[in-house]
Amino acid sequence: DVKVTQSSRYLVKRTGEKVFLECVQDMDHENMFWYRQDPGLGLRLIYFSYDVKMKEKGDIPEGYSVSREKKERFSLILESASTNQTSMYLCASSFTRGYNYGYTFGSGTRLTVV
Amino acid sequence: KNQVEQSPQSLIILEGKNCTLQCNYTVSPFSNLRWYKQDTGRGPVSLTIMTFSENTKSNGRYTATLDADTKQSSLHITASQLSDSASYICVVSGGDYKLSFGAGTTVTVRA
Repeated sequence: DVKVTQSSRYLVKRTGEKVFLECVQDMDHENMFWYRQDPGLGLRLIYFSYDVKMKEKGDIPEGYSVSREKKERFSLILESASTNQTSMYLCASSFTRGYNYGYTFGSGTRLTVV
Repeated sequence: KNQVEQSPQSLIILEGKNCTLQCNYTVSPFSNLRWYKQDTGRGPVSLTIMTFSENTKSNGRYTATLDADTKQSSLHITASQLSDSASYICVVSGGDYKLSFGAGTTVTVRA
């Protein structure tokens, strides 16, 4: 089975801190994605990446950046955490750009910014 | 704007009963539609995926239907179990990188 692993299940950070959320997939998928999930809003795409060192903005990139130095790892960075970034963050990966088959999610990171 | 609307927002059913969740979408062009199950505090897990030419697909007690003409899908849960308590999310792909997500239906199964 494809495994997408997010390094932390729960995180509590202070306002203004720099926060790193890590995601690793083990199936050689080209595509990786970061979403946030808030009640009643569904999943919203923050950033995605088609390949190493490539990144593209999703629907809500403000306040976030990403890094993909290796194919299997995609990191989400909150440069200066704010309370409105308290949310569930989900990483996903997929195999084929055109049809996104094998789209698999990680277990999520619940981030609380205080 | 591509949209995916799910109904109801939530429902409560007794163990052993059946239920049906609805998904209407306006995504165009259409590539495929997926249903995911998301347990509380966990990531979504895929239940079914259907392309344009498929109108039904089953995964155990879960059966999804698709009417691409009316842009509607449903997920039917048969003989519900306590472990079916979760959020069910409808996701539509337009063939490019983007997926359009519904807000989900929360199902609570009571003994």
